[in-house]
Amino acid sequence: QLQLQESGPGLVKPSETLSLTCTVFGGSISSSSYYWGWIRQSPGKGLEWIGSISYTENTYYNPSLKSRVTLSVDTSKNQFSLKLISVTAADTAVFYCARQRVWGQAFDIWGQGTRVIVSS
Amino acid sequence: DIQMTQSPASLSASVGDRVTITCQASQDIRNRLNWFQQKPGQPPKLLIYHASSLETGVPSRFSGSGSGTDFTFTIASLQPEDFATYYCQQYDNLLRFTFGPGTKVDIK
Repeated sequence: QLQLQESGPGLVKPSETLSLTCTVFGGSISSSSYYWGWIRQSPGKGLEWIGSISYTENTYYNPSLKSRVTLSVDTSKNQFSLKLISVTAADTAVFYCARQRVWGQAFDIWGQGTRVIVSS
Repeated sequence: DIQMTQSPASLSASVGDRVTITCQASQDIRNRLNWFQQKPGQPPKLLIYHASSLETGVPSRFSGSGSGTDFTFTIASLQPEDFATYYCQQYDNLLRFTFGPGTKVDIK
């Protein structure tokens, strides 16, 4: 049973960089059948897709966040990561990682989410 | 960018009721529409993909229909475990994803 788990700091200061990692358990990240995505959820903006990456490091991003986001993948660790620079309070959210099925482009398996607060 | 609207924003229903939620896209998305259920403190769960295909393991009381800009999600007979928030989500031909604002289904 594939599982995803987010990890990273729960508190980030304004103007700093938010860094999160998603570890994939019970299966390999190195599959051409899937992309790996990040989605966040905040009371003000609902569910917002951040970006997705393949194990070959093909990436695509939400245009509204593209200038601040970098996704990366480490197949040796079965992990993929998110970096969001220059954060503000508006970036406070629960961040989810998810498996994205290429066929149907559906986020079919999600991590439990990690809450990140941006505050000094 | 493609915008998604959902209606109603919330509804109250009883166990056994038929529940219908609509989702509208700001432009033609063909059948590139998925539906999710989310309960408090949990991540979203995929229920329907390709507008009308039932995800493996999801009860058959859930269904979806529509194409183009107008979509419908139906729970044929509401069960106690179905009280949750439901989201539609589209993806465009550049593989950019947008979620609807959600519909909260609570107990009447």
